This record gives sequence, C-alpha cells and structure tokens, in this order.
Amino acid sequence: DSGVTQTPKHLITATGQRVTLRCSPRSGDLSVYWYQQSLDQGLQFLIQYYNGEERAKGNILERFSAQQFPDLHSELNLSSLELGDSALYFCASSPRGSSGDEQFFGPGTRLTVL
Amino acid sequence: KNEVEQSPQNLTAQEGEFITINCSYSVGISALHWLQQHPGGGIVSLFMLSSGKKKHGRLIATINIQEKHSSLHITASHPRDSAVYICAVRVNNDMRFGAGTRLTVKP
Repeated sequence: DSGVTQTPKHLITATGQRVTLRCSPRSGDLSVYWYQQSLDQGLQFLIQYYNGEERAKGNILERFSAQQFPDLHSELNLSSLELGDSALYFCASSPRGSSGDEQFFGPGTRLTVL
Repeated sequence: KNEVEQSPQNLTAQEGEFITINCSYSVGISALHWLQQHPGGGIVSLFMLSSGKKKHGRLIATINIQEKHSSLHITASHPRDSAVYICAVRVNNDMRFGAGTRLTVKP
C-alpha cells in the first residue's frame, strides 16, 4: 500500500458526459501527478501540482482539467468524454515534486466510456 | 522513434534465472525511474536513479548517463516477479515512459 488513495476504482459512463476522479496523496507529500494509461498510447504524463499550484503540464487535453485543494487532495475533471478516453488514470504523489523525488502511485481509476 | 526504448518487449524465464531488462533514452534527463505493474494494474516504484547503481533485495538497477542507458536486473527470479516493468525518464518537469517489458517467470 503506497498510501495514495484514488476514488472511484471503476467508472463507466457514456460519451459526452463529465466525470471527476479524486486523489489523496500520501501524508506529508505536497506534490500530485496525474497519468493516463491507455492500450494504444501506454502511460502518459498529464499534469503535476505542487502545494496547490500547477507545476508542469504534459499531454493533457483541453477537455481535461485538474486542481489541487488546500488539504492537498486533487481532482481530475474529464469532460465531453470520447470513447478514446477509456483508460486507467493514475495519481502519484511525492514529497517536494522535484526530479529527485520518488513517486508513489495510487491504485488507479479505470474509466470506461461507452 | 520513441524517446525511451525498452528491450525486450516480452521475456519468459524459468524460476531462478538471472534477468536483465534494458532501457535506452535519447533525451537529457534529470532522473530515471523503474516501475513495476502487476496484472491487477497497480504500479509500484522500484527505483529512482540519477547516477550509478541501486540495490533492493534481488533487484539491481544501474544507469550510465554518458551512454543514456539503464538496466534492471533480477537475480534468482521467482514467479511472483511476473509483471510489466516500465522505464520512465524525467525530462525537466515532464515524464516520458517506455512501452514496458512483460516478464513471465515459470515455476
């Protein structure tokens, strides 16, 4: 158990809908990362937050947004969902968000868009 | 060509064998991570390297910054080591991933 929690575990929804994925980092970690793992694209970095502020952006679509709250939990919002958004979404956390930090991964949320 | 290349893509070994998985990258990096993903989907961070060599139990990871290459070794492999092993490199504040190596260890 990494200490990172993600909810829900599974989510099934329809095209065009909007969903919110939630992540709670390990106690004491200030940085949260979001990743997408799909069958055709593999693992991709989406976005990183540090202490409530956006620190880095990867291959995140404009239909997707994220935020980190004062209690350090983070939410990833996916809107106007398409079939291709079906994937595993992982959250990870690290103490300082620096390149020297190890990252601790949550169990993931499996999103299925029908 | 992908920025992070792993080999082999698939690897089958007998229990007890010594295993090596390779990762080559073509960009300047600040760190390299080895991750393990089990069939259930969960990801575990095995190592974070910026130079040299690290060892945890039966696992050893090395990195050669000049050659832009890293290896993950598993000694005395066991069926519970069966998983996908993923190499990831930190490029500034971005993370780039290899396609993974699927390892199956047979009893």
